[in-house]
Amino acid sequence: GAVVSQHPSWVICKSGTSVKIECRSLDFQATTMFWYRQFPKQSLMLMATSNEGSKATYEQGVEKDKFLINHASLTLSTLTVTSAHPEDSSFYICSASPGTGGFSSYEQYFGPGTRLTVT
Amino acid sequence: ILNVEQSPQSLHVQEGDSTNFTCSFPSSNFYALHWYRWETAKSPEALFVMTLNGDEKKKGRISATLNTKEGYSYLYIKGSQPEDSATYLCARRSNDYKLSFGAGTTVTVRA
Repeated sequence: GAVVSQHPSWVICKSGTSVKIECRSLDFQATTMFWYRQFPKQSLMLMATSNEGSKATYEQGVEKDKFLINHASLTLSTLTVTSAHPEDSSFYICSASPGTGGFSSYEQYFGPGTRLTVT
Repeated sequence: ILNVEQSPQSLHVQEGDSTNFTCSFPSSNFYALHWYRWETAKSPEALFVMTLNGDEKKKGRISATLNTKEGYSYLYIKGSQPEDSATYLCARRSNDYKLSFGAGTTVTVRA
C-alpha cells in the first residue's frame, strides 16, 4: 500500500519552455502533498506544501510564479516549471500524506522523482 | 546544529560485516526522526519513525536508535548483504510536520 507515482521520470526541455510534472497517490487519498528539489550531492529541499483545494505554501526563496503547483484532487498534484532555464535543471520529487488524523497519518510517501534537464 | 547532517557521506562494507552511521539534527522544535532507504530509480522507502528519547526500532537486520537530547540517531546494519546497498536518508520532522533531510549516507556492500 501507500504507492505514489510520478510522471515523467525524466524530461529534457529547451530554455524558455514550461514543463509539467504529475504526482499521483495510487491507493490512498492525499490530503497534503509536498514537492522537493535535490541538487547533486545535496539533500532533498522542500519547495512547497499543497493541500487539496487550497493554494500551495511555498518555502522561502522558492518563486511561486515560476513553480506553479496545483492540487485539484485528493490523488493528484502537479508542478509546472514555467519558462524553464538551465539553472532549473534538477531532480524533483513529490511526497503525499493522508493526514487524516493520528501520528501515522502524517507519514510521507514518496514518488520516484523526475530528472529535469533544461538545455 | 542548524541543519540535519549525515556522516559519513558514503561507505563500503564487505558482505557479512556490520556497519553503522550517524544522523545529527537540531533538537529544538523536534517532533520525529525518520529514516528512509532509497535505491536508485525507486521511491524512498520508509524504514523507521521515532519520537521519544531512547527509542529503538528494528526491522530485520536494520535497527536505529534516537537521542533527542543531544540530537542524533544511529542506524545499524547487521551482517550486510548486497541488497542493503542504497542511500539511507534521515529526516527531522518539526512541529509543523515538515521534513528536513540530511544529504544521505550511500552504502555499498561488496560481495
